[in-house]
Amino acid sequence: GAGVSQSPSNKVTEKGKDVELRCDPISGHTALYWYRQSLGQGLEFLIYFQGNSAPDKSGLPSDRFSAERTGGSVSTLTIQRTQQEDSAVYLCASSPGRMSYEQYFGPGTRLTVT
Amino acid sequence: LAKTTQPISMDSYEGQEVNITCSHNNIATNDYITWYQQFPSQGPRFIIQGYKTKVTNEVASLFIPADRKSSTLSLPRVSLSDTAVYYCLVGHIMNRDDKIIFGKGTRLHILP
Repeated sequence: GAGVSQSPSNKVTEKGKDVELRCDPISGHTALYWYRQSLGQGLEFLIYFQGNSAPDKSGLPSDRFSAERTGGSVSTLTIQRTQQEDSAVYLCASSPGRMSYEQYFGPGTRLTVT
Repeated sequence: LAKTTQPISMDSYEGQEVNITCSHNNIATNDYITWYQQFPSQGPRFIIQGYKTKVTNEVASLFIPADRKSSTLSLPRVSLSDTAVYYCLVGHIMNRDDKIIFGKGTRLHILP
C-alpha cells in the first residue's frame, strides 16, 4: 500500500515568509510524528499526534512553529516568519496504534530559507 | 529514556558481515531496542526491533546479551547499497510526554 507522503519535496522561501508543510500518513495509522534533520545531524523530535491531539508541544523549537492534524489523517506543520536556522529537512512518520518506536517515515521536505 | 552510544563511523568491504554495536547501560526493564537505516536524502527505514536474545529478519539480525546493556546489529554479506547511517534507539511504548531521540547514528561505508 501507499507509504507516508510529504509535500512539497523541496521548498525555498525568503526569510520572514510563512511556510506550510504537509504530511499524509499511511491509511489507518493513528500516531503521527514530525522531526527535523539539519545537514549531517541526527533527527530532532518535534511533535507527536495521537489522533488529532498533540499531548506535548514542548519539542517545537519556537512559538513560530505550529502543527495540526485534522480528521485523524493529514497533518500540517506551519513555520511563521521563517529564519535561516529553520533550513533543514522536515520528516514525518506514522505508526499504527499508540506512540511506538516502529515508525514509517516519509521522504521529507527540504526547506531552504534564503 | 536510555542513552545510547554507537560508533560514529565504520568501513567495510562488499561481501563481509558487518556488526554495529550499540551501548545502552541504563536500559529499563520495559525498553525495546530498535534499529533504523537511513540513506542519503531519504527518511529513516525501520530495520529490526528486539527485547532479548536474538531476532532475525530478511534484512538483519539483532543480538542482545542477557544483561541487555548492549546490542549488535548484524548485516550479512553487505553490498555497496548498504552504505547508510544506522541508528540505535532504546525505549518502549511511550508516555504522552516522552520524546523519541535519534542520536547521530553510525555512518557505514561499504567499499568495493
